[in-house]
Amino acid sequence: QVQLQESGPGLVKPSETLSLTCTVAGDSISSSSYYWGWIRQPPGKGLEWLGSFYYSGSTYYNPSLKSRVTISVDTPKNQFSLKLRSVTAADTALYYCARRRVDYGLSLIDDWGQGTLVTVSS
Amino acid sequence: DIVMTQSPLSLPVTPGEPASISCRSSQSLLHNNGSNYLDWYLQKPGRPPQLLIYLGSHRASGVPDRFSGSGSGTDFTLKISRVEAEDVGFYYCMQVLQSPRWTFGQGTKVEIK
Repeated sequence: QVQLQESGPGLVKPSETLSLTCTVAGDSISSSSYYWGWIRQPPGKGLEWLGSFYYSGSTYYNPSLKSRVTISVDTPKNQFSLKLRSVTAADTALYYCARRRVDYGLSLIDDWGQGTLVTVSS
Repeated sequence: DIVMTQSPLSLPVTPGEPASISCRSSQSLLHNNGSNYLDWYLQKPGRPPQLLIYLGSHRASGVPDRFSGSGSGTDFTLKISRVEAEDVGFYYCMQVLQSPRWTFGQGTKVEIK
């Protein structure tokens, strides 16, 4: 059973960089069967995909955030990270890491972290 | 980018009665392999979303058979044959055809009358 766990500061000041890490247990982020990514949910609002990566090294970002977001991968630690630069109050949200299965013609998010709340405030 | 539009955004339901949520895509989600790349998720209060339906109509493991998904191309529907109290929460459709960009609908809040 795979487990994803987000970690990082719960409070970030405006204009600074939000940094989160997702630690994966029970599966390898180098698996060709999955994309791994970040999704956020502002309080009381819906879900927004931020970005994802594939084991091949390719990364993909939401065009609305592309200039501010970076996903990096630490394969030996089986972790991947999110950096969101120049944050504002609008970036306050519950941040989830997630795994999407893509083998055998499938495409589904079958595992999520529990989410971590990040508040942007001075 | 593909835009997903759900309706209604709020759905009061009576236990034991059926319920239905619509999801419309701005572009066809029908892949040339014959599958529709549309998922449905349920987010219960305080929990991450959980997969209900994938590829338009396939029920995920452990999902009760009162949930069903249908549709093709740009129009999809999630149906609950008989709503139970535990079904309250927010329902989201999500397109995954434009892989790996994932796009969600706005969400539909299902609550008991």
